[in-house]
Amino acid sequence: EVQLVESGGGLVQPGGSLRLSCAASGFTFSTYWMTWVRQGPGKAMEWVATIKFDGSEKQYKDSVKGRFTISRDNARNSLFLQMNILRTEDTAVFYCARGGAYSDRHDYWGQGTLVTVSS
Amino acid sequence: DVQLTQSPSSLSASVGDSVTITCRASQTFNIYLNWYQQKPGKAPKSLIYAASNLESGVPSRFSGSGSGTLFTLTISSLQPEDFATYYCQQTYSFPYTFGQGTKLELK
Repeated sequence: EVQLVESGGGLVQPGGSLRLSCAASGFTFSTYWMTWVRQGPGKAMEWVATIKFDGSEKQYKDSVKGRFTISRDNARNSLFLQMNILRTEDTAVFYCARGGAYSDRHDYWGQGTLVTVSS
Repeated sequence: DVQLTQSPSSLSASVGDSVTITCRASQTFNIYLNWYQQKPGKAPKSLIYAASNLESGVPSRFSGSGSGTLFTLTISSLQPEDFATYYCQQTYSFPYTFGQGTKLELK
């Protein structure tokens, strides 16, 4: 059974940092592109970042470029999102999702982890 | 960036009804349009990929069609568990984008 379990969310002040993790199981993690998607309170889903299966390609939403870094550890079946210089508008539930290659869909999602940026 | 506009933004319907949700793209692309269902407090669920392909395990009352700039999601014979918010998403080019969502409510 495919499982994606996010962790690392919490309350952080503006300008602060957080590192999200996503533990994957039930599939060959090293062969899948992976993606972070977020959803602000009462808002639509928003694609954040995608990483190729081997980590050689990374794509970011413009508003997070230079602040967020997506990475993965295929030996540990884990996906990460390092978030720096956080802004209040980054407040959202962050989901880890399988897939993200061109033309692909996100067929499995984690349960999400809440990031709240507030003073 | 490819902008996706869904219509309607909200929709009221009854069990047994058939409904259609539209997703219009700001520029033409192939068929790399996906549909997701989301219930309150839950993660999204993949329904349709590449415009018309039904995800494994999804009931056949869900169907998708379209290409170019206009795509549709149709749910025939609505069931109580279908009342949720639906999103389209393009994975044709980065940055990937989602529509603003269509909330399907029970009349």
